[in-house]
Amino acid sequence: LAKTTQPISMDSYEGQEVNITCSHNNIATNDYITWYQQFPSQGPRFIIQGYKTKVTNEVASLFIPADRKSSTLSLPRVSLSDTAVYYCLVGYNQAGTALIFGKGTTLSVSS
Amino acid sequence: EPEVTQTPSHQVTQMGQEVILRCVPISNHLYFYWYRQILGQKVEFLVSFYNNEISEKSEIFDDQFSVERPDGSNFTLKIRSTKLEDSAMYFCASTSYNEQFFGPGTRLTVL
Repeated sequence: LAKTTQPISMDSYEGQEVNITCSHNNIATNDYITWYQQFPSQGPRFIIQGYKTKVTNEVASLFIPADRKSSTLSLPRVSLSDTAVYYCLVGYNQAGTALIFGKGTTLSVSS
Repeated sequence: EPEVTQTPSHQVTQMGQEVILRCVPISNHLYFYWYRQILGQKVEFLVSFYNNEISEKSEIFDDQFSVERPDGSNFTLKIRSTKLEDSAMYFCASTSYNEQFFGPGTRLTVL
């Protein structure tokens, strides 16, 4: 499993764009990059997944450079409700695969 | 939108007692998981289950733990003799492909 490194915490204000970068130098050819979000006392929630280049959905964008050794989760115009822990996971994209969570990035959004 | 449900939301038990945590995965999902999160720590994988058998388990999932799918809808985690260190949030998850859907969790408190 590729080891991931992401900032422990980040602070932002409402309306700003937030970019959380994750390093995964040992990513394997078959690995995908997946981001989950977790609110206090709730289960993690899938945000976005990608393999290379850029992926965008209604919640976020994921930027992956050509060497795939890092990735950046971009949250446009955050609100107070985006305060959560964000996890970067790298692994084989197959049903049944266990998710291995790190400590994640605690994002705090203030007004 | 379909969701994973878990009962009870909070379980308090005495050390040494048996507990059963219950989950109803999303109906057309084929893979089921249990994770736990000790307060203030990261989410940890316990076990995955497919086709009525364990497909993968972590070192945490020792002989004190067991899982079962007793009928077509429920998925249970049994802890045979609880210890103080079993106090945690227990999350059930299910998937049909790659995105894992997590339930709201059961907070287990062992006294």
